[in-house]
Amino acid sequence: EDQVTQSPEALRLQEGESSSLNCSYTVSGLRGLFWYRQDPGKGPEFLFTLYSAGEEKEKERLKATLTKKESFLHITAPKPEDSATYLCAVPWAGGSEKLVFGKGTKLTVNP
Amino acid sequence: GAGVSQTPSNKVTEKGKYVELRCDPISGHTALYWYRQSLGQGPEFLIYFQGTGAADDSGLPNDRFFAVRPEGSVSTLKIQRTERGDSAVYLCASSLYGGAGQPQHFGDGTRLSIL
Repeated sequence: EDQVTQSPEALRLQEGESSSLNCSYTVSGLRGLFWYRQDPGKGPEFLFTLYSAGEEKEKERLKATLTKKESFLHITAPKPEDSATYLCAVPWAGGSEKLVFGKGTKLTVNP
Repeated sequence: GAGVSQTPSNKVTEKGKYVELRCDPISGHTALYWYRQSLGQGPEFLIYFQGTGAADDSGLPNDRFFAVRPEGSVSTLKIQRTERGDSAVYLCASSLYGGAGQPQHFGDGTRLSIL
């Protein structure tokens, strides 16, 4: 069974305090790993796709990296507006296009 | 429209009633997905359409749930004989061509509450 595990479940940071979120996966034959941001009452907003180990992508204060077993979302000098739940997802290995999501990390950045 | 549009944004109904949830995908996107999200959980897959046909309906929990996409654009998720356990946020997503490596773009969902 494919599994995606995110840690920590919740993270509180002070503004400017950098940290990382973790997403580990057990799916074999990875066909991509997706990071999304979700604000309360909104749908997930696409951030990044990573396809192979060693790949990195950046957007403003966020950088996503990928290894063979896990992905990290690094947040550099976060601001209060970065507060959200961050979800990672992988395509199910059985050939379908469905995404299997982790439970997310709820990030709170205090001013 | 610019993004995925879902209506209604909120739906409250009584147990046993029938509900329809609508999804209008991004223009030109051929692939459409339905997910369900409970509080504190990630979205859970329900069904995937490529064009007009359901390519994968393995996530539908039982035969009370049904979805259609008759013209390959708008989709409707239908739930019969609703139960309190059906309460959740129902999310719709679309992608340009489908395919596992393509990002899925989500709407803001319909929050369904069964009393």
